Order: sequence, then structure tokens, then C-alpha cells
Amino acid sequence: AQRVTQPEKLLSVFKGAPVELKCNYSYSGSPELFWYVQYSRQRLQLLLRHISRESIKGFTADLNKGETSFHLKKPFAQEEDSAMYYCALRTGANNLFFGTGTRLTVIP
Amino acid sequence: NAGVMQNPRHLVRRRGQEARLRCSPMKGHSHVYWYRQLPEEGLKFMVYLQKENIIDESGMPKERFSAEFPKEGPSILRIQQVVRGDSAAYFCASSPGQGDPYEQYFGPGTRLTVT
Repeated sequence: AQRVTQPEKLLSVFKGAPVELKCNYSYSGSPELFWYVQYSRQRLQLLLRHISRESIKGFTADLNKGETSFHLKKPFAQEEDSAMYYCALRTGANNLFFGTGTRLTVIP
Repeated sequence: NAGVMQNPRHLVRRRGQEARLRCSPMKGHSHVYWYRQLPEEGLKFMVYLQKENIIDESGMPKERFSAEFPKEGPSILRIQQVVRGDSAAYFCASSPGQGDPYEQYFGPGTRLTVT
């Protein structure tokens, strides 16, 4: 069975400090992983996906199959990064399996 | 493009009543997905529909829950005889196609409270 684990419910960092949001997965198939973000009073939106290997808003995430991880990183956190972040695993063509989310707070 | 619309945003029902949640996909999107988020949990897939067809309902509870996406009008998630455990946020997403590279666009959600 699939599982997505985000061990930190809450994470606080100071502005300018590096940030890493952890995500570990368990899946018997070939994983496709995503990070979604929900800013205050906004809807859930895609931040990045592992297959595109791009940096969005300074965030990057590398799929590590050996460690079954897909941690989200940013070298210098900004106040506008404060949001709820969800790691998600595509388990079929149709649906996404989400972790429980991490609320990131960037302290000015 | 107004994005995915869901209504109502908040719905309060007494135990035993019916709840109807509506989702209008983005213009040009013919694929709709419903997710449920229980308190302290992640979003859980419920059902995937295309116009007039249920493609995957593997995440739907076996009883009391049903979904439709008619040829005309919004997709409807219907919960009959609601119980307290149905209290959750229900999210709808839409996409123009299936799977990658078709990103799912999410609506703002409907928060259902069963009293």
C-alpha cells in the first residue's frame, strides 16, 4: 500500500535561513511525486513535480529512490513562503495520495 | 477563467440529512476528482469522473456516498444520511486530461459540518 509521510506538522524558520520540508514515501510502483502549497486564504496549487526537475520560487526537490524521499528545500526562506505544504504521490493515472502536510512559518 | 468553483463553501447538516456538494470544473476541463480531508489528515482521493462516467471510485465509501458529473452542469458529490464522521473538507479538482502532464487544479473546498 502507498504511504506519504511528512513527519513535521509545524516548522518555523527565520527569514533568510535554509528550510527543508521532509517527505518520505512508500510505493511499490514507479513513483511520481509532487509538492503542493496552500497559502493563507488561497486554494491548493501545484508547486513542483519531480519529473520536471525545476526550481519554483527558489524551491527544489530531488527524488531519492534509495531513501524513498522527496524533501523540499530552499536556501533562503522568505516571509511569503509561510504556507501549508503537502507532498503528494501519484498512485494511478487518476489520483494523488497526499501527506498530512507541514505548516511552514517564516519568522521575520 | 474563474478556476474551479465549489459551492457551498460551508455546509452544516444535522445527522441523517443529505449533503450535496457541487463542483464546476475549469473551462475546457472534462476530468473531475473529489478528495476528502478529515481533521489532522491529508487529502484522500475519493472518485474520478469524466462527463457522464465514473472512471475510478476506489476511494469512495461503499455506502451513502455517490458522485455524478452530468453532461450539463456541475459535478455533484452526494452524501446521504450524514453522520458526525462525515465532517470534513471536501475538495474538487479538475484537469483537461488524465495523468501526467495534466495538472489537477483545485477548488477552494467545501467544509461540511455535521451536528
